[in-house]
Amino acid sequence: EAQVTQNPRYLITVTGKKLTVTCSQNMNHEYMSWYRQDPGLGLRQIYYSMNVEVTDKGDVPEGYKVSRKEKRNFPLILESPSPNQTSLYFCAAGYSLNQPQHFGDGTRLSIL
Amino acid sequence: EDQVTQSPEALRLQEGESSSLNCSYTVSGLRGLFWYRQDPGKGPEFLFTLYSAGEEKEKERLKATLTKKESFLHITAPKPEDSATYLCAVQWDSNYQLIWGAGTKLIIKP
Repeated sequence: EAQVTQNPRYLITVTGKKLTVTCSQNMNHEYMSWYRQDPGLGLRQIYYSMNVEVTDKGDVPEGYKVSRKEKRNFPLILESPSPNQTSLYFCAAGYSLNQPQHFGDGTRLSIL
Repeated sequence: EDQVTQSPEALRLQEGESSSLNCSYTVSGLRGLFWYRQDPGKGPEFLFTLYSAGEEKEKERLKATLTKKESFLHITAPKPEDSATYLCAVQWDSNYQLIWGAGTKLIIKP
């Protein structure tokens, strides 16, 4: 079964405490992406990766980092989280940039 | 500025009452338009891709259509299990990235 797995699903933390959200896919897809979803707004892309060691900024990259050392994993790193990064985050994987994406079930982050 | 607007924001229907959801866009040079369904506590799930004006796709009670400026998701004789938020996303030629609409929350009452 095609799966994108995110961990943790929920996290409450404090300003400035570094955190990592993991994302793993079992489909051998080259394209992976991180989004944030806020009420009343569409999904906004944070970073994306076309392949191993190839990453690029999306629409809202400030305050985030990513890495793609292996094809299956694409972690999202918040080095110094701030309250405006409180949001629902989704990881997605697709065969290529212009193909439909499979999404994980989301990570709800609360930064106090 | 390239934009994707979905309407209405929310729609309540009785079971069996057909209706349509709208996704309008100002993107020039459309490469593709995607429809997704999102259930509470879940990530979006892919439904359809449309590439050119006049194209139609169907799946069970859903039919997606595309014109040069908008797409419609028609739902025929909906059932309560069709309740979800429906998202559209547009990809354009100059940049492969997607612009997402804010979604339409559909509630089907039994």
